[in-house]
Amino acid sequence: KAGVTQTPRYLIKTRGQQVTLSCSPISGHRSVSWYQQTPGQGLQFLFEYFSETQRNKGNFPGRFSGRQFSNSRSEMNVSTLELGDSALYLCASSLVSSEGETQYFGPGTRLLVL
Amino acid sequence: AQSVSQHNHHVILSEAASLELGCNYSYGGTVNLFWYVQYPGQHLQLLLKYFSGDPLVKGIKGFEAEFIKSKFSFNLRKPSVQWSDTAEYFCAVNGPSSASKIIFGSGTRLSIRP
Repeated sequence: KAGVTQTPRYLIKTRGQQVTLSCSPISGHRSVSWYQQTPGQGLQFLFEYFSETQRNKGNFPGRFSGRQFSNSRSEMNVSTLELGDSALYLCASSLVSSEGETQYFGPGTRLLVL
Repeated sequence: AQSVSQHNHHVILSEAASLELGCNYSYGGTVNLFWYVQYPGQHLQLLLKYFSGDPLVKGIKGFEAEFIKSKFSFNLRKPSVQWSDTAEYFCAVNGPSSASKIIFGSGTRLSIRP
């Protein structure tokens, strides 16, 4: 099975612009979560989608939004970019088994805001 | 509030030394526990996970972790480290419900001297 894929892998934007990141989960996984990883804050949870519905949300401003499509692919959007939004954005898809839920991570999209 | 603490921010060891990385969590009720590893330039990978059963969990690459419920701990161990174990290690916890979001610790950077 192919792993979690994220596009683009690298992105450079300027302040005030908006950006859309894409994530394709592992086939059969219906849950997709997004995280922001920075050297100072570590891994922080953004939000989780399951069957096209946002199931959980972290403590990020409304400039960060997402959605999930019927094929479980997910997009994350950040509007009015700020310098502090520079980070590695990770997507993870989840497999729920009789034992519990395990997340599998993609390679991430590295966003640089100038 | 739910939280995960990794008290060792940076650990430096020589090859063949034994490793123990601490992880403590604050989470009411039953939990699922995970250790992830991120090698330089690579994306997050699952090392091992605990959902239920034997509290001593074996993972990939010779790693193991022990869940001690009374101490709210899930420490990662390896009897003899190799230079290739140089990476950042993240502990994570979530509740048993598939609607529970996963919370990550801040990570421990492990450097192995050859």
